[in-house]
Amino acid sequence: EAAVTQSPRSKVAVTGGKVTLSCHQTNNHDYMYWYRQDTGHGLRLIHYSYVADSTEKGDIPDGYKASRPSQENFSLILELASLSQTAVYFCASTSGVSQNTLYFGAGTRLSVL
Amino acid sequence: GEQVEQLPSSLIVQEGASVLINCSYTDSASVYFPWYKQEPGKRLQFIIDIRSNMERKQNQRLTLLFDKKTKHLSLHITATQPGDSAIYFCSASRGSGGNYKPTFGKGTSLVVHP
Repeated sequence: EAAVTQSPRSKVAVTGGKVTLSCHQTNNHDYMYWYRQDTGHGLRLIHYSYVADSTEKGDIPDGYKASRPSQENFSLILELASLSQTAVYFCASTSGVSQNTLYFGAGTRLSVL
Repeated sequence: GEQVEQLPSSLIVQEGASVLINCSYTDSASVYFPWYKQEPGKRLQFIIDIRSNMERKQNQRLTLLFDKKTKHLSLHITATQPGDSAIYFCSASRGSGGNYKPTFGKGTSLVVHP
């Protein structure tokens, strides 16, 4: 089964601080995604990538940057964390070839105070 | 962009009941519709999918129906068990390639009482 590992699992950050969420997958998948989950909003796509060294904006990219230094690693960066970015963040990956189901990480619970 | 709506937002049933979760999408170019289940405190996991060239797919107690004309899907779960308690998400995408950008509904919370 696909393995997607997120770190940290939870984090408390201060408003205006920098936060980096990391994601690592070991399944040779080309596609990786960052979603945020909020009550009442479901999952919303922040950034995604389908090749190393390249990232794409999702539906809600404002306030977030992404980095894909290698096929295995995909980071989400909040340069100036804000209260509104308190949420649970999920990383996911897929091969994008034939079966396009997503394999999700366990999530990172971020609280910005 | 694509928008996915799910109804109802929550369901509470007794063990053994059948439930129906509805999902609609807006982008006529969407071709792939996987569903995921998120148990409390756990990661999302794939449960069933359907492609736009199909009308029906079954996997044990799960049946997924697809109507391309109305852009509507419905997930039927029979003989529910407490272990089915979870949030269920419908998603839609245009398919593989650089356009593979799955959009999710807001989820349906299912609680099955023993």
